[in-house]
Amino acid sequence: GQQLNQSPQSMFIQEGEDVSMNCTSSSIFNTWLWYKQDPGEGPVLLIALYKAGELTSNGRLTAQFGITRKDSFLNISASIPSDVGIYFCAGQLPSSGTYKYIFGTGTRLKVLA
Amino acid sequence: DAGVIQSPRHEVTEMGQEVTLRCKPISGHDYLFWYRQTMMRGLELLIYFNNNVPIDDSGMPEDRFSAKMPNASFSTLKIQPSEPRDSAVYFCASSLTPFGYTFGSGTRLTVV
Repeated sequence: GQQLNQSPQSMFIQEGEDVSMNCTSSSIFNTWLWYKQDPGEGPVLLIALYKAGELTSNGRLTAQFGITRKDSFLNISASIPSDVGIYFCAGQLPSSGTYKYIFGTGTRLKVLA
Repeated sequence: DAGVIQSPRHEVTEMGQEVTLRCKPISGHDYLFWYRQTMMRGLELLIYFNNNVPIDDSGMPEDRFSAKMPNASFSTLKIQPSEPRDSAVYFCASSLTPFGYTFGSGTRLTVV
């Protein structure tokens, strides 16, 4: 089946540093979503992207919908300790039906104060 | 808004027992989803409903799994009989628009 590959799988960074992570696939997606999951909780939606090339920000977070529609990127600027968690991308396949998303494998972020 | 409410938060059961997980979606959301999360397979969609009707259950692993949505404010996911490999965190999510769901806090199921 279709897979979304996220990289890196995990990362340690110093507080204040910028963070970049990406999500790639061999399939084309109609919509990209980025979620953050804290321990013991469900994923929380951070950013939604609706068309190729789109660049969207949410506070210190910026995400882009790749031009090829096969990838997406998430950047976090000036990281803080509460950014710790697992970040997931999710993509909606053109043929999957409007509400069905495939989730990536996750990027585990740890921030060193 | 209380968000998506799942119960129980934790469930430990013996192999062969029936397990029922419950979900109350956000009021007014027409879509409800059940996901399973494991270290090996990540987040997998099991089934989703639109207006209480199951639309796609292709992710349900086998006949031991069943899901119902008797009304707009309640859904259940049942596993009978349960097996150790069913151990996972089960999430319910609901949506009003196609652009992202709201997840519940999950039920951590352990089958021993």
